[in-house]
Amino acid sequence: EVQLVETGGGLIQPGGSLRLSCIASGLTVSSNYMTWVRQAPGKGLEWVAVIYSGASTYYADSVNGRFTISRDNSKNTLYLQMNSLRAEDTAVYYCARDAKGERGNRGYYYYYMDVWGKGTTVTVSS
Amino acid sequence: DTQMTQSPSSLSASVGDRVTITCRASQSISNYLNWYQQKPGKAPELLIYAASSLQSGVPSRFSGSGSGTDFTLTINNLQPEDFATYYCQQSYSTPRTFGQGTKVEMK
Repeated sequence: EVQLVETGGGLIQPGGSLRLSCIASGLTVSSNYMTWVRQAPGKGLEWVAVIYSGASTYYADSVNGRFTISRDNSKNTLYLQMNSLRAEDTAVYYCARDAKGERGNRGYYYYYMDVWGKGTTVTVSS
Repeated sequence: DTQMTQSPSSLSASVGDRVTITCRASQSISNYLNWYQQKPGKAPELLIYAASSLQSGVPSRFSGSGSGTDFTLTINNLQPEDFATYYCQQSYSTPRTFGQGTKVEMK
């Protein structure tokens, strides 16, 4: 069974740091595009960061320079290191596999998040 | 960044109804458009990718259409388990932005 399990959430003071983990089973993290998505309380989904199979990384403007996405291939685990946390970073954080589909008519492959974890809650508050 | 705008933000419907949700991109994204369903307290689930391809295991009452900037998610014969929030997401460029969501509520 393909499964993603997020851990590491909790209550943290503004300005603090936290590292989230996403342990994968049934899929190989290093062979896939892996993404972090968050959802603030009562709000919609916000794309946060992606790491490509080739290890390139991209971030939302809202977290660029503060968050770092990475992976440990030996542990088959995805991470999100979050520094300089702010109240507006309070959210449920989901990891997801960004599956690769066929190549579309613009020459790019289709990507879609087909496997999600249950999420871990981060609360930034004093 | 490509902005995604969904309408309506919420709607009321009854079991058996046909429901249509629209999603508009701020620039052309061809058909690099995905739809997700999210129920309260749960992770999102993929419904449709590449604008109109049904994810495995998703009931055929769900369908998607569109290309360029305008897209539609249609739910035929709405079932009790379909009351949820629906999100579109573009996968044409990074950041892979989501729409703000459409909540489908029971009338």
